[in-house]
Amino acid sequence: QKEVEQNSGPLSVPEGAIASLNCTYSDRVSQSFFWYRQYSGKSPELIMSIYSNGDKEDGRFTAQLNKASQYVSLLIRDSQPSDSATYLCAAAGYSTLTFGKGTMLLVSP
Amino acid sequence: DGGITQSPKYLFRKEGQNVTLSCEQNLNHDAMYWYRQDPGQGLRLIYYSQIVNDFQKGDIAEGYSVSREKKESFPLTVTSAQKNPTAFYLCASSRAGSAETQYFGPGTRLLVL
Repeated sequence: QKEVEQNSGPLSVPEGAIASLNCTYSDRVSQSFFWYRQYSGKSPELIMSIYSNGDKEDGRFTAQLNKASQYVSLLIRDSQPSDSATYLCAAAGYSTLTFGKGTMLLVSP
Repeated sequence: DGGITQSPKYLFRKEGQNVTLSCEQNLNHDAMYWYRQDPGQGLRLIYYSQIVNDFQKGDIAEGYSVSREKKESFPLTVTSAQKNPTAFYLCASSRAGSAETQYFGPGTRLLVL
């Protein structure tokens, strides 16, 4: 059974701080990984994808991948209250994505 | 204006009734997916289709059925056999291949009367 594990949170950070979200996956075959943001009552929207070991930066967001440790993370710099949402990590298998249950992030003003 | 549309936004089902959720995309994507999300839970795959006239069961297909007669459309029927259908249903699409990003529609919330 392929699994993607995330701490459910909530992760609480003050405005302007760095939020660090973590994810581990069980399927060593997975080569592609995705971070989605989901606001309450809304559908998930893609933040970033990452395919290679190392860091990938996009604005305030940095995704990190370590395939040897089967670990993916998302850093959000200068966190804003509008970043408060649930963040879903997903790992690609042969045909589909496996999603974690998500980590709720709360950014306080 | 490309995207994925789902209708209706809210759907009410009576006992013993089959209901159909619509999903349409104009992104020219080959693959389409249906997920179910329960409160505090991640997304669980119901069915997926990588090409017209072909589809595969996901992790929780029992009580659901789908069709893929057109590339743009992937309707989901929640049958009376699904005893606990109350959930948020999400449709997604992607280009062919497992490594491709999936894009989601706005979702349909199904409630049982």
